[in-house]
Amino acid sequence: QKEVEQNSGPLSVPEGAIASLNCTYSDRGSQSFFWYRQYSGKSPELIMFIYSNGDKEDGRFTAQLNKASQYVSLLIRDSQPSDSATYLCAVKDGNKLVFGAGTILRVKS
Amino acid sequence: EAGVVQSPRYKIIEKKQPVAFWCNPISGHNTLYWYLQNLGQGPELLIRYENEEAVDDSQLPKDRFSAERLKGVDSTLKIQPAELGDSAVYLCASSLVGGDEQFFGPGTRLTVL
Repeated sequence: QKEVEQNSGPLSVPEGAIASLNCTYSDRGSQSFFWYRQYSGKSPELIMFIYSNGDKEDGRFTAQLNKASQYVSLLIRDSQPSDSATYLCAVKDGNKLVFGAGTILRVKS
Repeated sequence: EAGVVQSPRYKIIEKKQPVAFWCNPISGHNTLYWYLQNLGQGPELLIRYENEEAVDDSQLPKDRFSAERLKGVDSTLKIQPAELGDSAVYLCASSLVGGDEQFFGPGTRLTVL
């Protein structure tokens, strides 16, 4: 079973700061990586996906992938209180997603 | 566009009772997933359907869990009999065949007493 590891947090950042969320995965052959956001009591929603080494930017969000280190990260710039949620990292294993346990992010105003 | 619909949203039952969850995926999405999410954990796949066919049910506890997707649209997940450890959120998701983006429904929160 492929594994995806995340620090459970909570990660607390002040409003306007950069939040950095990290994820490591066990299968060196993994090709596709996803970040989902899950508000308390709600279902996960996809924020970004990344396939290639390097950075991928979408608005305030940047995903970073380093396959050699088996490491994926999500940066949230200008963090807002509305970004407070659990962020789930997922890795594609065949045709299914393997999720990490998630990191709780708290943005304090 | 309507999202993934699930019902009921909440269910409380006593152990050893049966329970069923229903899911209607996004129109045109032929791939349907059932996930289990325990508190403080990420979703774990129970079963994946491509149209009517269950193509990955390796994580489904078949002694008490069953699922069906008649006509390749709606799906039902059943537990019989339920155990205390089955208390969790059951999520349904759908995607296009081969698509990377999975859209999740609101989930059913099951409490087994």
